[in-house]
Amino acid sequence: QKEVEQNSGPLSVPEGAIASLNCTYSDRGSQSFFWYRQYSGKSPELIMFIYSNGDKEDGRFTAQLNKASQYVSLLIRDSQPSDSATYLCAAPTRGGSEKLVFGKGTKLTVNP
Amino acid sequence: GAGVSQSPSNKVTEKGKDVELRCDPISGHTALYWYRQSLGQGLEFLIYFQGNSAPDKSGLPSDRFSAERTGGSVSTLTIQRTQQEDSAVYLCASSAGTHYEQYFGPGTRLTVT
Repeated sequence: QKEVEQNSGPLSVPEGAIASLNCTYSDRGSQSFFWYRQYSGKSPELIMFIYSNGDKEDGRFTAQLNKASQYVSLLIRDSQPSDSATYLCAAPTRGGSEKLVFGKGTKLTVNP
Repeated sequence: GAGVSQSPSNKVTEKGKDVELRCDPISGHTALYWYRQSLGQGLEFLIYFQGNSAPDKSGLPSDRFSAERTGGSVSTLTIQRTQQEDSAVYLCASSAGTHYEQYFGPGTRLTVT
Protein backbone atom coordinates (compact mmCIF):
# COMPACT_ATOMS: atom_id res chain seq x y z
CA GLN A 1 0.00 0.00 0.00
CA LYS A 2 1.30 3.44 -0.89
CA GLU A 3 1.95 5.70 2.07
CA VAL A 4 -0.68 8.26 1.09
CA GLU A 5 -3.47 7.48 -1.34
CA GLN A 6 -6.12 9.66 -2.88
CA ASN A 7 -8.84 9.09 -5.42
CA SER A 8 -7.46 10.83 -8.49
CA GLY A 9 -10.92 11.84 -9.62
CA PRO A 10 -11.85 13.92 -11.40
CA LEU A 11 -14.54 14.98 -8.94
CA SER A 12 -17.20 17.25 -10.31
CA VAL A 13 -19.78 19.06 -8.16
CA PRO A 14 -22.28 21.83 -8.86
CA GLU A 15 -21.75 25.28 -7.44
CA GLY A 16 -23.05 25.54 -3.88
CA ALA A 17 -22.71 21.81 -3.16
CA ILE A 18 -20.41 20.13 -0.65
CA ALA A 19 -17.23 18.66 -2.15
CA SER A 20 -15.76 15.74 -0.22
CA LEU A 21 -12.13 14.75 -0.78
CA ASN A 22 -10.67 11.68 0.85
CA CYS A 23 -7.21 10.42 1.69
CA THR A 24 -5.92 7.26 3.36
CA TYR A 25 -2.49 6.72 4.86
CA SER A 26 -0.51 3.66 5.85
CA ASP A 27 1.63 4.81 8.79
CA ARG A 28 -0.35 4.48 12.03
CA GLY A 29 2.28 6.62 13.71
CA SER A 30 1.51 9.67 11.58
CA GLN A 31 0.47 12.56 13.75
CA SER A 32 -0.09 15.43 11.35
CA PHE A 33 -1.86 15.77 8.04
CA PHE A 34 -1.98 18.51 5.50
CA TRP A 35 -4.20 19.56 2.63
CA TYR A 36 -2.78 21.61 -0.21
CA ARG A 37 -4.60 23.21 -3.11
CA GLN A 38 -2.87 23.49 -6.47
CA TYR A 39 -4.31 25.55 -9.27
CA SER A 40 -3.26 24.62 -12.77
CA GLY A 41 0.19 26.03 -13.50
CA LYS A 42 0.73 27.15 -9.93
CA SER A 43 2.56 25.75 -6.92
CA PRO A 44 0.78 23.98 -4.03
CA GLU A 45 -0.77 26.21 -1.38
CA LEU A 46 -1.34 25.00 2.19
CA ILE A 47 -5.00 25.32 3.11
CA MET A 48 -5.49 23.10 6.17
CA PHE A 49 -3.59 20.98 8.65
CA ILE A 50 -4.94 18.72 11.35
CA TYR A 51 -3.33 16.81 14.22
CA SER A 52 -6.18 15.61 16.40
CA ASN A 53 -8.99 13.18 15.78
CA GLY A 54 -12.22 14.85 14.82
CA ASP A 55 -13.04 17.91 12.81
CA LYS A 56 -11.23 21.15 12.24
CA GLU A 57 -13.09 23.99 10.57
CA ASP A 58 -11.72 27.02 8.79
CA GLY A 59 -14.29 29.04 6.90
CA ARG A 60 -15.85 26.86 4.21
CA PHE A 61 -13.22 24.14 4.75
CA THR A 62 -13.47 21.29 7.26
CA ALA A 63 -10.73 18.70 7.73
CA GLN A 64 -11.72 15.43 9.34
CA LEU A 65 -9.26 12.98 10.84
CA ASN A 66 -9.95 9.41 11.91
CA LYS A 67 -6.74 7.81 13.13
CA ALA A 68 -8.35 4.47 13.90
CA SER A 69 -9.44 4.11 10.27
CA GLN A 70 -6.36 5.92 8.94
CA TYR A 71 -8.21 8.38 6.79
CA VAL A 72 -8.36 12.11 6.53
CA SER A 73 -10.87 14.06 4.52
CA LEU A 74 -11.49 17.60 3.37
CA LEU A 75 -14.98 19.00 3.00
CA ILE A 76 -15.61 22.17 1.05
CA ARG A 77 -19.01 23.70 1.77
CA ASP A 78 -20.79 26.02 -0.63
CA SER A 79 -18.35 25.09 -3.38
CA GLN A 80 -17.41 27.86 -5.76
CA PRO A 81 -15.95 27.68 -9.28
CA SER A 82 -12.80 29.24 -7.78
CA ASP A 83 -12.38 26.06 -5.73
CA SER A 84 -11.68 24.15 -8.94
CA ALA A 85 -8.15 22.84 -8.47
CA THR A 86 -6.18 19.73 -7.57
CA TYR A 87 -6.16 18.95 -3.86
CA LEU A 88 -3.13 17.19 -2.40
CA CYS A 89 -3.09 15.29 0.86
CA ALA A 90 0.23 14.93 2.74
CA ALA A 91 1.52 13.13 5.83
CA PRO A 92 4.97 12.70 7.38
CA THR A 93 7.03 9.75 6.26
CA ARG A 94 7.71 6.81 8.52
CA GLY A 95 10.02 7.54 11.38
CA GLY A 96 8.46 10.88 12.17
CA SER A 97 10.82 12.93 10.07
CA GLU A 98 9.73 16.27 8.72
CA LYS A 99 9.65 14.96 5.19
CA LEU A 100 6.10 14.79 3.88
CA VAL A 101 4.69 12.20 1.55
CA PHE A 102 2.16 13.62 -0.87
CA GLY A 103 -0.73 11.83 -2.49
CA LYS A 104 -1.13 12.21 -6.22
CA GLY A 105 -4.02 14.60 -5.76
CA THR A 106 -7.73 14.77 -6.55
CA LYS A 107 -8.83 17.10 -9.31
CA LEU A 108 -11.98 18.99 -8.34
CA THR A 109 -14.19 20.85 -10.78
CA VAL A 110 -17.01 23.05 -9.49
CA ASN A 111 -19.55 23.72 -12.22
CA PRO A 112 -21.38 27.07 -12.25
CA GLY B 1 6.39 38.46 5.30
CA ALA B 2 8.27 37.24 2.25
CA GLY B 3 7.55 33.77 1.07
CA VAL B 4 9.77 31.21 -0.61
CA SER B 5 11.35 32.58 -3.75
CA GLN B 6 12.86 30.68 -6.66
CA SER B 7 14.87 31.71 -9.68
CA PRO B 8 14.73 31.63 -12.58
CA SER B 9 10.99 31.23 -13.09
CA ASN B 10 11.61 29.65 -16.47
CA LYS B 11 14.69 28.03 -17.93
CA VAL B 12 15.16 26.64 -21.41
CA THR B 13 18.36 24.73 -22.00
CA GLU B 14 19.85 22.46 -24.58
CA LYS B 15 20.30 18.79 -23.91
CA GLY B 16 23.68 18.12 -22.33
CA LYS B 17 24.06 21.52 -20.68
CA ASP B 18 24.22 22.03 -16.92
CA VAL B 19 21.63 24.14 -15.09
CA GLU B 20 21.43 25.68 -11.63
CA LEU B 21 18.16 26.44 -9.90
CA ARG B 22 18.02 28.65 -6.84
CA CYS B 23 15.74 28.67 -3.80
CA ASP B 24 15.47 31.29 -1.06
CA PRO B 25 13.47 29.87 1.86
CA ILE B 26 11.34 31.80 4.30
CA SER B 27 13.61 33.54 6.79
CA GLY B 28 14.12 31.44 9.90
CA HIS B 29 12.91 28.18 8.34
CA THR B 30 15.35 25.40 9.15
CA ALA B 31 14.07 22.81 6.69
CA LEU B 32 14.25 23.08 2.91
CA TYR B 33 12.91 20.65 0.31
CA TRP B 34 13.19 20.20 -3.43
CA TYR B 35 10.47 18.49 -5.46
CA ARG B 36 9.89 17.86 -9.13
CA GLN B 37 6.52 17.83 -10.83
CA SER B 38 6.15 16.66 -14.38
CA LEU B 39 3.12 17.71 -16.43
CA GLY B 40 -0.04 16.28 -14.90
CA GLN B 41 1.88 14.28 -12.33
CA GLY B 42 2.21 14.34 -8.57
CA LEU B 43 5.05 15.77 -6.52
CA GLU B 44 8.28 13.79 -6.66
CA PHE B 45 10.52 14.31 -3.64
CA LEU B 46 14.16 15.01 -4.53
CA ILE B 47 16.15 16.15 -1.48
CA TYR B 48 15.64 17.52 2.03
CA PHE B 49 17.88 19.71 4.19
CA GLN B 50 17.37 20.17 7.91
CA GLY B 51 19.63 22.54 9.79
CA ASN B 52 23.21 21.27 9.86
CA SER B 53 22.27 17.62 9.43
CA ALA B 54 23.36 15.62 6.42
CA PRO B 55 20.77 16.07 3.65
CA ASP B 56 18.33 13.31 2.75
CA LYS B 57 19.21 12.66 -0.89
CA SER B 58 17.05 9.58 -1.25
CA GLY B 59 14.86 11.10 -3.95
CA LEU B 60 17.54 12.24 -6.38
CA PRO B 61 16.89 10.31 -9.62
CA SER B 62 20.52 10.06 -10.75
CA ASP B 63 24.02 11.26 -9.94
CA ARG B 64 23.50 14.08 -12.42
CA PHE B 65 21.43 15.78 -9.74
CA SER B 66 22.98 17.47 -6.73
CA ALA B 67 22.03 20.20 -4.30
CA GLU B 68 23.67 22.28 -1.66
CA ARG B 69 22.49 24.66 0.97
CA THR B 70 24.89 27.38 2.00
CA GLY B 71 24.78 28.94 5.44
CA GLY B 72 21.57 27.15 6.28
CA SER B 73 19.62 29.41 3.95
CA VAL B 74 19.80 29.60 0.15
CA SER B 75 19.86 26.33 -1.77
CA THR B 76 20.98 25.52 -5.29
CA LEU B 77 19.85 22.47 -7.22
CA THR B 78 22.26 21.54 -10.02
CA ILE B 79 21.44 19.25 -12.90
CA GLN B 80 24.42 18.21 -15.00
CA ARG B 81 24.24 17.05 -18.60
CA THR B 82 20.51 17.70 -18.78
CA GLN B 83 18.25 15.24 -20.57
CA GLN B 84 14.82 15.80 -22.09
CA GLU B 85 13.23 13.75 -19.32
CA ASP B 86 14.48 16.35 -16.84
CA SER B 87 11.90 18.78 -18.21
CA ALA B 88 9.53 19.55 -15.34
CA VAL B 89 8.63 22.17 -12.77
CA TYR B 90 11.10 22.17 -9.91
CA LEU B 91 9.53 23.27 -6.65
CA CYS B 92 11.22 24.33 -3.46
CA ALA B 93 9.51 24.38 -0.06
CA SER B 94 10.58 25.38 3.42
CA SER B 95 9.34 24.55 6.88
CA ALA B 96 9.83 25.99 10.33
CA GLY B 97 10.04 22.45 11.62
CA THR B 98 7.44 22.97 14.30
CA HIS B 99 4.47 21.13 12.85
CA TYR B 100 6.06 20.25 9.55
CA GLU B 101 3.81 22.32 7.32
CA GLN B 102 5.69 23.25 4.18
CA TYR B 103 5.36 26.41 2.16
CA PHE B 104 6.14 26.27 -1.51
CA GLY B 105 7.84 28.69 -3.82
CA PRO B 106 6.46 29.49 -7.28
CA GLY B 107 8.68 26.93 -8.98
CA THR B 108 11.12 26.91 -11.88
CA ARG B 109 9.85 25.52 -15.16
CA LEU B 110 12.74 23.72 -16.84
CA THR B 111 12.53 22.82 -20.50
CA VAL B 112 15.29 20.76 -22.06
CA THR B 113 15.32 20.93 -25.87
